[in-house]
Amino acid sequence: GAGVSQTPSNKVTEKGKYVELRCDPISGHTALYWYRQSLGQGPEFLIYFQGTGAADDSGLPNDRFFAVRPEGSVSTLKIQRTERGDSAVYLCASSQGQGLHGYTFGSGTRLTVV
Amino acid sequence: AQSVAQPEDQVNVAEGNPLTVKCTYSVSGNPYLFWYVQYPNRGLQFLLKYITGDNLVKGSYGFEAEFNKSQTSFHLKKPSALVSDSALYFCAVRDGAGANNLFFGTGTRLTVIP
Repeated sequence: GAGVSQTPSNKVTEKGKYVELRCDPISGHTALYWYRQSLGQGPEFLIYFQGTGAADDSGLPNDRFFAVRPEGSVSTLKIQRTERGDSAVYLCASSQGQGLHGYTFGSGTRLTVV
Repeated sequence: AQSVAQPEDQVNVAEGNPLTVKCTYSVSGNPYLFWYVQYPNRGLQFLLKYITGDNLVKGSYGFEAEFNKSQTSFHLKKPSALVSDSALYFCAVRDGAGANNLFFGTGTRLTVIP
């Protein structure tokens, strides 16, 4: 596609529920990144994929968070047993290779846990 | 480990005046440096990057930034501010010898006063 697409744009869920957030990167971009942005903060790194494998998942806050990219294109961020503290905007970005030509971000999914 | 500092939460400047948004960084290897802008309810938009070469980098919308290795800084500048430049600005760094993921500062809110 022309840009990075994230769905849904908004998600409201109840505490304790499971949610999935989807990211469709720019076609041909091998690297995909997930970030979380809380109100008034900069984006915080969560996980980075190169192809199908997670090259660095050191930013995932705990084992309730998991992400997959089974075919090296679309990625899904999964959050189990959601907590109110998980409320944030979840951003996805993609890049060619090592990102020397820049990283393109999607518009994000605003997750609200009530 | 890499990190970014944006020492000013808020910068106010009169329309037509020059603007500077400050950024300092820390990486163990060669730095790859980026500036992004975020408008309300929008994703991050790429402004410019420094990978190698000339220390003065020119980017979108008339913005430029100067890489200063001795001061580990990458300040964003524009000769004449526009009201439409009012937004949230983020500096980001990645270690050229490390993983591809970007690390962001906490952001600086720029307000251009008519």
